[in-house]
Amino acid sequence: EAEVAQSPRYKITEKSQAVAFWCDPISGHATLYWYRQILGQGPELLVQFQDESVVDDSQLPKDRFSAERLKGVDSTLKIQPAELGDSAMYLCASSLTVQNSYEQYFGPGTRLTVT
Amino acid sequence: AQKVTQAQTEISVVEKEDVTLDCVYETRDTTYYLFWYKQPPSGELVFLIRRNSFDEQNEISGRYSWNFQKSTSSFNFTITASQVVDSAVYFCALSEMVGGKLTFGKGITLSVRP
Repeated sequence: EAEVAQSPRYKITEKSQAVAFWCDPISGHATLYWYRQILGQGPELLVQFQDESVVDDSQLPKDRFSAERLKGVDSTLKIQPAELGDSAMYLCASSLTVQNSYEQYFGPGTRLTVT
Repeated sequence: AQKVTQAQTEISVVEKEDVTLDCVYETRDTTYYLFWYKQPPSGELVFLIRRNSFDEQNEISGRYSWNFQKSTSSFNFTITASQVVDSAVYFCALSEMVGGKLTFGKGITLSVRP
């Protein structure tokens, strides 16, 4: 069964350092999402791509976060510099986004700890 | 703005009991999409069910069933004959367009005891 791949699974970094996360969506899924989940909360969207284009990045802290999906397949989310408040689970999801198949499938996530 | 409220925070049941998870949503759109996801301790969100606002038929899928009531803006989820493996955090989510962002509730932690 096809899955969304993410790496690394865990990352510990010191504040002010740069960190990057990678996501490979399910093959053929044009829509890719990055969510952030703070402990005890539901995930919140950071950025959404349709193919290589950004559809929604209204909640992305653009002074320190960046995201790209250059060839419309895999994607990278970067934080520079990391802050203590960035400690969270970063989840990637993908969707086929057609009328009868638009549920989002999530990867295992990257758990980030900033010290 | 869209909002999802899961008033229950933690539920504990004994195996084989039925359990219902409540979800109330807010949206100004007349067409919207509702989902339930499960997050086991491993952390991965697992899609369970979805429902379109224009289809109010309630269905059963195995041990899962849902009750969509547009009049009360509720989308409750029931697990019949719960099992220990059902222990997880359950999230209700809302999207206002096909492929649009999901707005999640805060989740309900379900513990099923043997």
